[in-house]
Amino acid sequence: QKEVEQDPGPLSVPEGAIVSLNCTYSNSAFQYFMWYRQYSRKGPELLMYTYSSGNKEDGRFTAQVDKSSKYISLFIRDSQPSDSATYLCAMTVQGAQKLVFGQGTRLTINP
Amino acid sequence: DAGITQSPRHKVTETGTPVTLRCHQTENHRYMYWYRQDPGHGLRLIHYSYGVKDTDKGEVSDGYSVSRSKTEDFLLTLESATSSQTSVYFCAISSTSGGYNEQFFGPGTRLTVL
Repeated sequence: QKEVEQDPGPLSVPEGAIVSLNCTYSNSAFQYFMWYRQYSRKGPELLMYTYSSGNKEDGRFTAQVDKSSKYISLFIRDSQPSDSATYLCAMTVQGAQKLVFGQGTRLTINP
Repeated sequence: DAGITQSPRHKVTETGTPVTLRCHQTENHRYMYWYRQDPGHGLRLIHYSYGVKDTDKGEVSDGYSVSRSKTEDFLLTLESATSSQTSVYFCAISSTSGGYNEQFFGPGTRLTVL
């Protein structure tokens, strides 16, 4: 079993829809949770970062962490075609030098 | 964009040949990483470096070696390329470890081993 599980999709939704992307993990020591966005043929870039449990909002994006369930989510409101990309979750523990990534979910927003 | 370049950007080679990929940064970041990305596997860490001449293995290090003789350069070598090493390779850099460990990624190298 992988330490971080993420449904690879692909996920295709119409423009304006609310998108929910999720990851589950097995290591209860994870404290820092990140979402990276990767456009086609580009390197990933950090989109959202959350420490421990709770919510964080940035414009149309909301990141949620539920440590009791070992489950994190990324919500995209009013989705746009420019949001079409692969979204990767990543997490780490305090003092670690490495991130553990999920497999990535490929998302397409249809105009 | 963070100052990270990778070379070459594309390479086609034959099984059994040695291959070296280069990552160059202008940010003076301490940590550097090599990942490979394959469908269904996401990003998998090959090797990383926490300083000049200081390196350690990641989860898929077999068949790969690395060197870092200068802060700005991190080389990944496939000693004898195999078809299973066909992949997209990403270099990443970070100025911190643990906690808010934002990693900045390069543009990637697409390697095909025939």
